[in-house]
Amino acid sequence: DVKVTQSSRYLVKRTGEKVFLECVQDMDHENMFWYRQDPGLGLRLIYFSYDVKMKEKGDIPEGYSVSREKKERFSLILESASTNQTSMYLCASSSQGARDTEAFFGQGTRLTVV
Amino acid sequence: AQKITQTQPGMFVQEKEAVTLDCTYDTSDPSYGLFWYKQPSSGEMIFLIYQGSYDQQNATEGRYSLNFQKARKSANLVISASQLGDSAMYFCAMRETNQGGKLIFGQGTELSVKP
Repeated sequence: DVKVTQSSRYLVKRTGEKVFLECVQDMDHENMFWYRQDPGLGLRLIYFSYDVKMKEKGDIPEGYSVSREKKERFSLILESASTNQTSMYLCASSSQGARDTEAFFGQGTRLTVV
Repeated sequence: AQKITQTQPGMFVQEKEAVTLDCTYDTSDPSYGLFWYKQPSSGEMIFLIYQGSYDQQNATEGRYSLNFQKARKSANLVISASQLGDSAMYFCAMRETNQGGKLIFGQGTELSVKP
């Protein structure tokens, strides 16, 4: 059974803290994604990685960075958490090449910054 | 720049009736793929259906079909014979070939099925 696992389901952090959201996939996928989901705004792409150590900015990268040191792991980093980063964060992975390969999602991390 | 638009924030449908969820997209890449996902209240993202830009026929998967109108750049999801379990958020997404595997989503439509 294919699996994308996010390290936490719920997280509460204080303003100014450095926050790490971890995502691991066991499907040997080349592509990994971080999205944030907010009501009325859908899923907005934060960062995308197509290979180890490779990354591309998505639509809303400000305030975030990412790390992909190993193929199976993609980390989202909030350098200094702010209240406007309170959101649901979704990680996904997909195979590269075929256009019709769907993305598989983790269960999501609901982050609250207080 | 790619863009996906879902103009219906919320929709209601009577059980056993069909419903169409709208999705329009904007791309200059001739090669792209379109996806629909379902997100129930549990939060999981469930892949429903895929349509490739070069596919000649509209995609179908069980009660789901995709009304693909390439010239109009629309990829509407049709759910036939709605069931109570179809109540969920539905997201349209697009991947352009020249963007590698980058996948962009629309704002979503919340579907409520009435008994």
